[in-house]
Amino acid sequence: ETGVTQSPTHLIKTRGQQVTLRCSSQSGHNTVSWYQQALGQGPQFIFQYYREEENGRGNFPPRFSGLQFPNYSSELNVNALELDDSALYLCASSSVGSFGETQYFGPGTRLLVL
Amino acid sequence: LAKTTQPISMDSYEGQEVNITCSHNNIATNDYITWYQQFPSQGPRFIIQGYKTKVTNEVASLFIPADRKSSTLSLPRVSLSDTAVYYCLVREYGNKLVFGAGTILRVKS
Repeated sequence: ETGVTQSPTHLIKTRGQQVTLRCSSQSGHNTVSWYQQALGQGPQFIFQYYREEENGRGNFPPRFSGLQFPNYSSELNVNALELDDSALYLCASSSVGSFGETQYFGPGTRLLVL
Repeated sequence: LAKTTQPISMDSYEGQEVNITCSHNNIATNDYITWYQQFPSQGPRFIIQGYKTKVTNEVASLFIPADRKSSTLSLPRVSLSDTAVYYCLVREYGNKLVFGAGTILRVKS
């Protein structure tokens, strides 16, 4: 157990809808990263938040947005859902050190878009 | 073209040593290389992390050459429960975190 929790565990939405996924980071961590993992593929980096500011972003369109709260928990919002957004969404928390960080992952949220 | 690559799959037998190499030619200067294990429908689990040369912990070793453009995860004596997908993770220039595509390790008895 990493101490990183995500909710909900599973979610079904229809195309065009909006979704919010939540992540509670491990105690003492100030950084949260979000990833999308399609079936049979490696996780793809969406973005990272450090102390409530976006700290890096992958190749995802603006309809993928996020927030980090003062307690370092985080939300991932996806607008105008598309069928290809169906995936496992992973959250990882970390604490930035001198030479980077060690990311610890939650169990993920499985999103199905119909 | 910057890319992080791994072999797609590997087969091994119980008790053997397994080495999985990841190539990461666009790794940022001051960041670690991290390896994860993932089982179906679970989040990746941290195995080991290193910056250069060799790192060893209770479950694995990590070898990183001087140019840091590759790394090799070594699992000393695999068991059936080590059957999983193994990923390397690096930070590239531009502050992008990049996973390799993953290596499916199948351990047979």
